[in-house]
Formats: sequence, structure tokens, C-alpha cells
Amino acid sequence: GQQVMQIPQYQHVQEGEDFTTYCNSSTTLSNIQWYKQRPGGHPVFLIQLVKSGEVKKQKRLTFQFGEAKKNSSLHITATQTTDVGTYFCAGLRGGGADGLTFGKGTHLIIQP
Amino acid sequence: NAGVTQTPKFRVLKTGQSMTLLCAQDMNHEYMYWYRQDPGMGLRLIHYSVGEGTTAKGEVPDGYNVSRLKKQNFLLGLESAAPSQTSVYFCASSYSPAWGVYNEQFFGPGTRLTVL
Repeated sequence: GQQVMQIPQYQHVQEGEDFTTYCNSSTTLSNIQWYKQRPGGHPVFLIQLVKSGEVKKQKRLTFQFGEAKKNSSLHITATQTTDVGTYFCAGLRGGGADGLTFGKGTHLIIQP
Repeated sequence: NAGVTQTPKFRVLKTGQSMTLLCAQDMNHEYMYWYRQDPGMGLRLIHYSVGEGTTAKGEVPDGYNVSRLKKQNFLLGLESAAPSQTSVYFCASSYSPAWGVYNEQFFGPGTRLTVL
């Protein structure tokens, strides 16, 4: 079945440092979504990317979708303690018959 | 507007017992999903539904059944619970203007299930 690989599994950073998580698929994706889950909470939608090479920004967060639509990244500039949580990517293959496949997530731990 | 709600929030079962988890959404979404979340495994899709009266298997459907008799409700059933089904279960829904179009998923708060 489709696999969406996400790295790293854990990332420790000092507050103020940058953070990046990467998502890779073995097959071409129709779109990719990113979610954030705070400790003890539920996933919350951040953004959806659809176009090849697309780049979107939300304040300190930058999302990219690869040219081949097989990879994506989320970059956070100057992390803050409020960024703590797990970041998931979720990919959709063409046709949509199988739904979204989530990566295993990257746990962001911030040290003050 | 409550969004997506799940009941119960917590449950402890003994091996072999059955139970039903209820998910309700008030956003008139077509698509609904059931996921389980285990440490180090991320979110895995159990079953999903693209409309009232329809269901489909996800990545890990064994041991679970679902029903979507009403558009706003999606039920997840465990007929004979096993310790391997200890997990946090999330329900989600999304708006879909056309088949195969997946938009933002709205998640419920989750149900923490322990099977002894």
C-alpha cells in the first residue's frame, strides 16, 4: 500500500532555532495536507498543497510541495514554545479511493 | 456549532467485550473517518465513509465494523475487543464537493480505549 515516510521522528531544538520536517511518498500525490497535534490534543489542520512546486507561508511556517509531487516539507523559523507538538503530513494519491495516508509524524520538543 | 464530537471520552473493556464508539458532526460533511493512534505509529485509517449509507476499509480494518446510517453520525464497533485494540481513536470529517476531493479534516477530541 501507499507509504508516506516522515523524518525525523523526533527533533529537539533550542527556542529560537529553526525546525524542518520532511515527508516523502513512494508514489505521486494529488495533494498533501499538514496537521499539528499538541500534546494530549487532537490533530488540527494547518494547510493543503495541491500544485507541483507550490510554496505557502503562514507567519513563521513555510510549506513546500516538491516538483514531482512526491515530497513535501514544513519549515518553522525561530521556534517558540507554542510550536511544541507533533506535525503530521497526509498524502492523497490520484483518484482518492484510498483516502489520505498519514506519516508517523515529527515530534518537536523545544528547550527554553 | 460543536464541530466533531465523540463519545465516550474514556473506556476500559475486558477482552472479548463489545462496544460502539459514536462520532457526530454538525457541519453537514460528506466524508467521515475513523483513525487509531498508537505511540510511534502515527494516525492509521480504520474505515471511512464518503456519504450516508456507504463505508470503505482503510489501512487497518480488521476487528472493527462501522455504520453510517445518518449523514451526521459514524459509528465504530468492536465486536470482541482485544488488548491490541488499546489505543486512542479519533473521528474526523471533511467537506467534499465531489467524489475523490479531500479537503481539510476536522478531528474530534478522541476516545481513549483500554482493553485489559
